[in-house]
Amino acid sequence: GENVEQHPSTLSVQEGDSAVIKCTYSDSASNYFPWYKQELGKGPQLIIDIRSNVGEKKDQRIAVTLNKTAKHFSLHITETQPEDSAVYFCAAINNDMRFGAGTRLTVKP
Amino acid sequence: DAGVIQSPRHEVTEMGQEVTLRCKPISGHNSLFWYRQTMMRGLELLIYFNNNVPIDDSGMPEDRFSAKMPNASFSTLKIQPSEPRDSAVYFCASEQGDGSNQPQHFGDGTRLSIL
Repeated sequence: GENVEQHPSTLSVQEGDSAVIKCTYSDSASNYFPWYKQELGKGPQLIIDIRSNVGEKKDQRIAVTLNKTAKHFSLHITETQPEDSAVYFCAAINNDMRFGAGTRLTVKP
Repeated sequence: DAGVIQSPRHEVTEMGQEVTLRCKPISGHNSLFWYRQTMMRGLELLIYFNNNVPIDDSGMPEDRFSAKMPNASFSTLKIQPSEPRDSAVYFCASEQGDGSNQPQHFGDGTRLSIL
């Protein structure tokens, strides 16, 4: 089955800096990669996703890149703000969805 | 769109008691998922339904756990008897499609504490 590894487990950045979270997956047949943001007391919320026929996708300050050959994908947040502080999860899907262990991002004002 | 609705938001009960968690998926979504989240194990898929039929229950930890989906707008996850190690946040998610290659939409979870 699919195995998803996510790094780092914690990340602290200064407001305005960029943040990068990386994930690797094991199943080369995985073809859909969503990213979720989970705030305290809330469920994970989809923030961006990418499919295997695309190498990069951007939505305002958030971008995701996918390298199918290396089987890794990354989340990039630019111009970070304190409200970006949350736990971020990557996932890889091939028939079933496997989550990474999560990254706790703290943006210091 | 009201989103996925879970109840109760919090449940505290003594070990041995029966616990029932409820979920209303987003209207029109035909796949429903139950997850458990703990610090030690992260997000674990317990079971998922497609068109009200259980498709994969391999994540259900033991026979004390059961889930039903009597219709397209309601599902329950039941633990009987409950144990302290069942304490966790339980999430329900729904998805439009056949359970693959679509984003899942999560509810805000039920925080369960078994004393």
